[in-house]
Amino acid sequence: AQTVTQSQPEMSVQEAETVTLSCTYDTSESNYYLFWYKQPPSRQMILVIRQEAYKQQNATENRFSVNFQKAAKSFSLKISDSQLGDTAMYFCAYTPRGAGNMLTFGGGTRLMVKP
Amino acid sequence: GAVVSQHPSWVICKSGTSVKIECRSLDFQATTMFWYRQFPKQSLMLMATSNEGSKATYEQGVEKDKFLINHASLTLSTLTVTSAHPEDSSFYICSARGRQGLGTYSNQPQHFGDGTRLSIL
Repeated sequence: AQTVTQSQPEMSVQEAETVTLSCTYDTSESNYYLFWYKQPPSRQMILVIRQEAYKQQNATENRFSVNFQKAAKSFSLKISDSQLGDTAMYFCAYTPRGAGNMLTFGGGTRLMVKP
Repeated sequence: GAVVSQHPSWVICKSGTSVKIECRSLDFQATTMFWYRQFPKQSLMLMATSNEGSKATYEQGVEKDKFLINHASLTLSTLTVTSAHPEDSSFYICSARGRQGLGTYSNQPQHFGDGTRLSIL
């Protein structure tokens, strides 16, 4: 069974600073996708970034980037120039390719951006 | 595109009543819908997966007679919490997946609704 672990229940960062959220996963699959979702206080689930396991290049989306280490099964999220609106729960998620897109979520990291 | 509407967003009702939550895909055909439950400050817990026209597949520990799921059309799935009690109070989120699936036309495995906050008194 696949598992996703986020070892940091809570983190805080000063506005405009950079923060990195950790995620590790366990799988025997070679082809899969990884995601970071953001859940603000409104509780919407917002896709932040996704990574395809067969791509070596780390995904980036504006201020958000990942450090994907396939051998180590690590998938961390870096948020640069943190903004107050980045305050939210962040969930790391995994799905194997072709598995009906069932997502396995990590336990989440609560990020607080301080002014 | 790929909008999922969930209704109601918040419901309060008395213990013993049944509550129905709707999940609609507004601009795509949802062959599969997922229902999650989320407790405060916790992650999403998958309750069940439903495919259009067939019975839902429930995760271990989820009572199928308690949480009735119907996916009668390609745009609508419903979750009915029967004889609700205070311990059923939670945040319920649905998501939907279209025919194309991930990696073909969509960059998302599932499109999420905005959730329903259920409070049982």
